[in-house]
Amino acid sequence: DTEVTQTPKHLVMGMTNKKSLKCEQHMGHRAMYWYKQKAKKPPELMFVYSYEKLSINESVPSRFSPECPNSSLLNLHLHALQPEDSALYLCASSLTGINTEAFFGQGTRLTVV
Amino acid sequence: GIQVEQSPPDLILQEGANSTLRCNFSDSVNNLQWFHQNPWGQLINLFYIPSGTKQNGRLSATTVATERYSLLYISSSQTTDSGVYFCAVEDYGGATNKLIFGTGTLLAVQP
Repeated sequence: DTEVTQTPKHLVMGMTNKKSLKCEQHMGHRAMYWYKQKAKKPPELMFVYSYEKLSINESVPSRFSPECPNSSLLNLHLHALQPEDSALYLCASSLTGINTEAFFGQGTRLTVV
Repeated sequence: GIQVEQSPPDLILQEGANSTLRCNFSDSVNNLQWFHQNPWGQLINLFYIPSGTKQNGRLSATTVATERYSLLYISSSQTTDSGVYFCAVEDYGGATNKLIFGTGTLLAVQP
């Protein structure tokens, strides 16, 4: 099983809303990632968790707040977003985060209105 | 940080044609993956290929790590091959490496 599950698939939120994106994997992977992808661009790394600890934050604005409650779950909390934050948000996992294959979820397509 | 460039940026093929996609990277890497992104946004793993050659059906890939490039070959293309192809490489990030994506190749296979 190489499945990473993201919910919801689509999300529309207002600029004053608070919402969360969820990601789950049951492959025993200990590295989990959030990426942001704008139209016609490659995915850009936002955060990396290694063994449930935040190991990389690519200078992401604080309106994006990641959380890793356990080794299988990864959340991205959203608050006071701007329309330019509209994008496809992708979650990924890999066994260790070092020289191991990464697998991606199907993404959450976020629209901020 | 490492730079990853792909060529060509766009490619149009007739069904049944063959193609080669290229991925160049600016520094040594320990991991390289090829993905196909379908129209719904899903990134599908094609190859995990830090070095050497692998084949999977009509697709094959070769990575020459010492010369900092990788090639993805698509033979007898089908309309379902359409989409964006990305290579991605690991860049040192400390406790966990960063997976950095290339610029992508948009492939359209026409019937």
